[in-house]
Parts: sequence; structure tokens; C-alpha cells
Amino acid sequence: QKEVEQDPGPLSVPEGAIVSLNCTYSNSAFQYFMWYRQYSRKGPELLMYTYSSGNKEDGRFTAQVDKSSKYISLFIRDSQPSDSATYLCASGEVEGGKLIFGQGTELSVKP
Amino acid sequence: EPEVTQTPSHQVTQMGQEVILRCVPISNHLYFYWYRQILGQKVEFLVSFYNNEISEKSEIFDDQFSVERPDGSNFTLKIRSTKLEDSAMYFCASSYANELFFGEGSRLTVL
Repeated sequence: QKEVEQDPGPLSVPEGAIVSLNCTYSNSAFQYFMWYRQYSRKGPELLMYTYSSGNKEDGRFTAQVDKSSKYISLFIRDSQPSDSATYLCASGEVEGGKLIFGQGTELSVKP
Repeated sequence: EPEVTQTPSHQVTQMGQEVILRCVPISNHLYFYWYRQILGQKVEFLVSFYNNEISEKSEIFDDQFSVERPDGSNFTLKIRSTKLEDSAMYFCASSYANELFFGEGSRLTVL
């Protein structure tokens, strides 16, 4: 069983739509959760970091963690063509420890 | 804004040759990492480094791989005898605690 699973998409939405990206994880020891954005042939860019169940909001982005169901989500409001990228979820156990990444979901926002 | 820098951006090498990939982590960070991403696949953990020694490594990180922090700023990944399957993007990352920041990557092509 993969430790972090993510639907690879691709997901195509019109500009202005609300986007929902989701991951599940299997390791109960995961304590913290990240969302990264990756443009083609570029490094992952940290978007959101959470370590507890609940919601965390930053501008148009909201990260949601439900530890009871091992489910993590990223919502993007008022999506823009510049949001078109691959979104990676990642989870880790301890400070300074490795991150386990999902496959990534490719998002395309059409003008 | 501080960033992780990597050199070279692209390296082409012959199978069996040694390759050194270089990284300058963010200056006050404590943990250093190498990840790789084969084209179309997920980002995979290779090794983490803390307090001048390897803290964790994956099964990918075999005897052909080594890491070094030769001075206070550089962090290097050496592949002793490259194989075709080592062709990938190699990402360096650093963190102060849990939030990992990635460089733009070094693309390694083994012929």
C-alpha cells in the first residue's frame, strides 16, 4: 500500500472555479502535512504546511486535514490560469525527517 | 527571500562516470536533503543530513551514492558510477524544522 496516494488527474477547470485537490495517507505516524506546487521541470514550491486536524487558510488557498480519516485536501478559490501546475501533497513523521510525496495532481485552469 | 540554489542545472554524462551535484542550502537551516524525481514519477526521498552526518537514507541510496558538507555552505551529492536508471531530476532541500524548501533541481542525463 502506498503511504501517500493522490489522484494524478489531469484536472481541468475554468478560470474562477473552486478547485479541490485530495490525498489519502496510510501511516498513522504522520504528524505534519504539506502542499507543494510544481511547475514543469522546476522544483517543488511550498504552499501550505499544517500539523493538526482542521483548516488553515492563506489567501486563496485552504488546507484541510482530517487525521481520523487520514484525508488531506487543498482548496483553491477563484482559480487563475497561473495556478496551472502539478500539486503535490507530502507527509512526514518527525521534525527534520523525510517527506513522503504523493504522485501529484496536474491542474489546468482555462481562461 | 532566501532560497536553495543548485548547480549544475543540467548535466549529461556517460554511464560509469562519476557525477557531483552541488547545493547551497538556506543559511540558517539545520536539515539537508536530497530527493530525486524520474520523469513522470513522484518525488522520492534519497537521504537526509543533520549535524554533519546522515540521519536517514532510502534503499535507493546505495553504496554508489554519497553526500558531503565540505564547508559551512555547500552540500553535495556524489554518484560514483552512474547508471542509465540514475537519469532524473535531483532536488536538494533544506529546513529549519518541518518546512522543507527545495531548489530548482539538477537534471542528470546518463547516456
